[in-house]
Amino acid sequence: GAVVSQHPSWVICKSGTSVKIECRSLDFQATTMFWYRQFPKQSLMLMATSNEGSKATYEQGVEKDKFLINHASLTLSTLTVTSAHPEDSSFYICSATGQGESSPLHFGNGTRLTVT
Amino acid sequence: GQNIDQPTEMTATEGAIVQINCTYQTSGFNGLFWYQQHAGEAPTFLSYNVLDGLEEKGRFSSFLSRSKGYSYLLLKELQMKDSASYLCAVTDSNYQLIWGAGTKLIIKP
Repeated sequence: GAVVSQHPSWVICKSGTSVKIECRSLDFQATTMFWYRQFPKQSLMLMATSNEGSKATYEQGVEKDKFLINHASLTLSTLTVTSAHPEDSSFYICSATGQGESSPLHFGNGTRLTVT
Repeated sequence: GQNIDQPTEMTATEGAIVQINCTYQTSGFNGLFWYQQHAGEAPTFLSYNVLDGLEEKGRFSSFLSRSKGYSYLLLKELQMKDSASYLCAVTDSNYQLIWGAGTKLIIKP
């Protein structure tokens, strides 16, 4: 089945530093990737939609200058949390779709970010 | 506005059957997904319904009624490992995915 790899699984960083999270589709071409964050006991919150070769579309309230998304190829998208602060600590999850607009999402395993 | 409702929490007994309901009001409909999410992990795909009726896949079945804006996920022969959150998500007319808040299912021995 379709596999999405997300790296790293967890990261601890100091306030003010930047953290990059990678999301790769291993066995299919993902023209669209999605980035979510999830707070404890809450549902997924879509941050942005990333299309290969174009700028990401950010959801309302998500700072595009803080959460930099790059989707340079059909198999890789990255999320960079710039100048991280403790309130950015969260569970970040990427997902990707295969062919067809109604294809199910395939999720990465998520990245737990802790900013100290 | 767009809205998806599902119960916040349910409890069931190991070996029993449980039905998790999901109702939706969205601008258009292009399919409904159910995902399972264990605590601290990413969601995993369970089922996809686009036509009315019941889709069976092993111990899990999913039902859809588009006219009623209603779906349910049926879990049979419950196992302790089924303890998780179950997320209902609907694709609207623009193929945007709208997520429910999830139902936390607690399985007791």
